[in-house]
Amino acid sequence: QLQLQESGPGLVKPSETLSLTCTVSAGPISSSSYYWGWVRQPPGEGLEWLGIIYYSGTTYYNPALESRLTMSVDTSKNQFSLNLYSVTAADTAVYYCARTEGIAESNQYFRHWGQGTLVTVSS
Amino acid sequence: DIQMTQSPSSLSASVGDRVTITCRASQGISNSLAWYQQKPGKVPKLLIYAASTLESGVPSRFSGSGYGADFTLTISSLQPEDVATYYCQKYNLVPWTFGHGTKVEVK
Repeated sequence: QLQLQESGPGLVKPSETLSLTCTVSAGPISSSSYYWGWVRQPPGEGLEWLGIIYYSGTTYYNPALESRLTMSVDTSKNQFSLNLYSVTAADTAVYYCARTEGIAESNQYFRHWGQGTLVTVSS
Repeated sequence: DIQMTQSPSSLSASVGDRVTITCRASQGISNSLAWYQQKPGKVPKLLIYAASTLESGVPSRFSGSGYGADFTLTISSLQPEDVATYYCQKYNLVPWTFGHGTKVEVK
């Protein structure tokens, strides 16, 4: 049973960097069959797609955040990560990691999700 | 970028009612549309993909339809456990945009 688990600081100061890691269990992140992604949800608001990464390191980002966002993958640890720079209170949200069902366009929906982690941006 | 417009933003219906939620894309997206259910405090759950394919284990009272730019999620007979917010998401091209959600309540 595939499991994804987010980890990282629950509190980040304004202007600093938000860094999260998603650890994948029961399945190699190095599989060529999937995209790994991040979605966030501010308190009381809707879902926002942040981006996806392929095991090779190829990334696709939300254009609204692209200038502040990087994603990476560490196949040796079966993890992928997110860095969001110069954060403000507007970046306060529950951050989810997720995996697509495949890489073909017909399979690029998120079937598997982590439990989510709340990150608060505050001084 | 393609925008996804979901309506209504919220609705209240009685148990047993038929409920319809619509999602409109600003451009055609073929059938690359998924629907998710998010119960309060919970992780989003995939309900439907490819616009009309029911995810395994999802009750058959849920159905999806549409192609191109106009899509519909239908709950044929609303149940108390269906109280949730429902999101559409397009995934044909990046960025994969979510709709703003429809909050479903039971009267």
